[in-house]
Amino acid sequence: DSGVTQTPKHLITATGQRVTLRCSPRSGDLSVYWYQQSLDQGLQFLIQYYNGEERAKGNILERFSAQQFPDLHSELNLSSLELGDSALYFCASSVEGQGAQEQYFGPGTRLTVT
Amino acid sequence: KNQVEQSPQSLIILEGKNCTLQCNYTVSPFSNLRWYKQDTGRGPVSLTIMTFSENTKSNGRYTATLDADTKQSSLHITASQLSDSASYICVVSAFGGYNKLIFGAGTRLAVHP
Repeated sequence: DSGVTQTPKHLITATGQRVTLRCSPRSGDLSVYWYQQSLDQGLQFLIQYYNGEERAKGNILERFSAQQFPDLHSELNLSSLELGDSALYFCASSVEGQGAQEQYFGPGTRLTVT
Repeated sequence: KNQVEQSPQSLIILEGKNCTLQCNYTVSPFSNLRWYKQDTGRGPVSLTIMTFSENTKSNGRYTATLDADTKQSSLHITASQLSDSASYICVVSAFGGYNKLIFGAGTRLAVHP
């Protein structure tokens, strides 16, 4: 158990809908990262937050947005969902947001768009 | 373009045998290199993190090496166990102040009895 929690574990929704994925970092970690892993593909970095502020952006679509709240939990919002958005979404956290910081991954949310 | 390439794509070995996984990268400027183990459907778990000055790092039966000159890394697994069956992902981070990671596609290892 990494100490990072993600909810829900599974999510099934229809195309065109909007969903929110939630992540709680490990106690004491200030930085949160979101990743997408499509079927049989590698992990893709989406976005990073540090202490409530956006730090880095990766391959995140305009239909996706995220935020980190004052209590440091984070939410990833996915809208106008398409079949291709079906994937595992992982959240990770680290103490700080730079350097050789260990990132601890949550168990993931499996999103299925039908 | 920053890239991380891993080989082989998949590997089958017998329990108790050793194996070596390869990682080549073109990420620049290099900050650190990590190896993760990912069981199917679960989050990756860190095995090692190496910075520019480190050549070798061990974590139990896992030993990672780094050659920053040739931009190559390897992960050696000794005396494999059935529980080693997983994907092994090489991840490289570039300097820039942010902990943005570039992931390889992974090597899928199957350990058979």
